[in-house]
Amino acid sequence: SQKIEQNSEALNIQEGKTATLTCNYTNYSPAYLQWYRQDPGRGPVFLLLIRENEKEKRKERLKVTFDTTLKQSLFHITASQPADSATYLCALDENTGFQKLVFGTGTRLLVSP
Amino acid sequence: NAGVTQTPKFRVLKTGQSMTLLCAQDMNHEYMYWYRQDPGMGLRLIHYSVGEGTTAKGEVPDGYNVSRLKKQNFLLGLESAAPSQTSVYFCASALGRMQNTGELFFGEGSRLTVL
Repeated sequence: SQKIEQNSEALNIQEGKTATLTCNYTNYSPAYLQWYRQDPGRGPVFLLLIRENEKEKRKERLKVTFDTTLKQSLFHITASQPADSATYLCALDENTGFQKLVFGTGTRLLVSP
Repeated sequence: NAGVTQTPKFRVLKTGQSMTLLCAQDMNHEYMYWYRQDPGMGLRLIHYSVGEGTTAKGEVPDGYNVSRLKKQNFLLGLESAAPSQTSVYFCASALGRMQNTGELFFGEGSRLTVL
């Protein structure tokens, strides 16, 4: 069966450290993968997209890697801040020709001062 | 620009009642989606539309109907609400064929409780 797995346990880190979140998938062949941030009571907000032929993508303090052999994406936040505390969702395209995203359950990140 | 607007934001229904959730976007997006989000289940696609007048089933379509009569609006209907439909519903839109890998823009969600 097709699955997208993100660590359901919250990740607690100290301010200034690097947070690393994992997204693993099985039985998908996505052309790209996206990461979203979701704050409590709000809708998800897009952060980054990485394509299957890209190994790494950066945006300010964010870095995403995509390993299609391992079927895994890693999402890094460097120099983390309490304001980075949120739930982070990975999403991949089902590669059906239309843009149709399947989402993981998300990992909650808590950054303490 | 308001982006993606969902109405209502909160609603309580009794089992068997019907209702419609409205999603409106002002970005001239081609694609629109309805997801539901439940604890531990993540976002699951209910129905989607790739253009005015078209709709298609997603992962969990049973018990829901949709319509896209105008490009800017995507309606989600519950004909006979069940407690299992208690959830937070999110509408999203995307630019569409011109940018087929683009981001989804989400509304703020509609929290529905079915008693």
